[in-house]
Amino acid sequence: EVQLVQSGAEVKKPGESLKISCKGSGYNFPTYWIAWVRQMPGKGLEWMGVVYPGDSDTRYSPSFQGQVTISADKSISTAFLQWSSLKASDTAMYYCARLKVDYSGSYNFLDFWGQGTLVTVSS
Amino acid sequence: DIVMTQSPDSLAVSLGERVTINCKSSRSILYSSNNKNYLAWYQQKPGQPPRLLLYWASSRESGVPDRFSGSGSGTDFTLTISSLQAEDVAVYYCQQCYSTPCSFGQGTKLEIK
Repeated sequence: EVQLVQSGAEVKKPGESLKISCKGSGYNFPTYWIAWVRQMPGKGLEWMGVVYPGDSDTRYSPSFQGQVTISADKSISTAFLQWSSLKASDTAMYYCARLKVDYSGSYNFLDFWGQGTLVTVSS
Repeated sequence: DIVMTQSPDSLAVSLGERVTINCKSSRSILYSSNNKNYLAWYQQKPGQPPRLLLYWASSRESGVPDRFSGSGSGTDFTLTISSLQAEDVAVYYCQQCYSTPCSFGQGTKLEIK
């Protein structure tokens, strides 16, 4: 059974750093891209970026480039999303999801999702 | 970037009735090389992560009830629920991955009338 299990909820102050995780199981983790998706309170879904655990190739949405760092460690089947200096506007639910990519390398859809990590940033 | 626009933003439908949700992309998301539309639909129930319902515009994900169907091509797409059930109350999102960054529609909230 494919599973993505995310780390628990976090409460941080502005300016603090944070790294959240997403551990995959039930499939060959290094060979599937992992995407990160943000959902701000009461809002829709936003594509942040993706990482390929096999070689750590990372691609960011322009809206999130420079704001977060996405990484992966294939030895422990885990992807990460981190901030060096949190802002109140980073308060959101963050989801990781497995990205289906076709034979041509084109992104297709997100077939399995983690349960989400709620990040609250408040002074 | 491709912008995805859903309509309506919300709707209330009686149990057993047909539901139609529309999604329009700012440009075609049909890949001519394989004739596939890179359009997916997701369902998000309160307090839960999104769940994949349909991909390539009309292919149903394993385990999804057959009352859910998708249609459309190019720039205009539709999610249809043939007979609304109580458990279908959720927000529905379309998503394109024809070009990066992938992008989602704003969501359509479905309630029971």
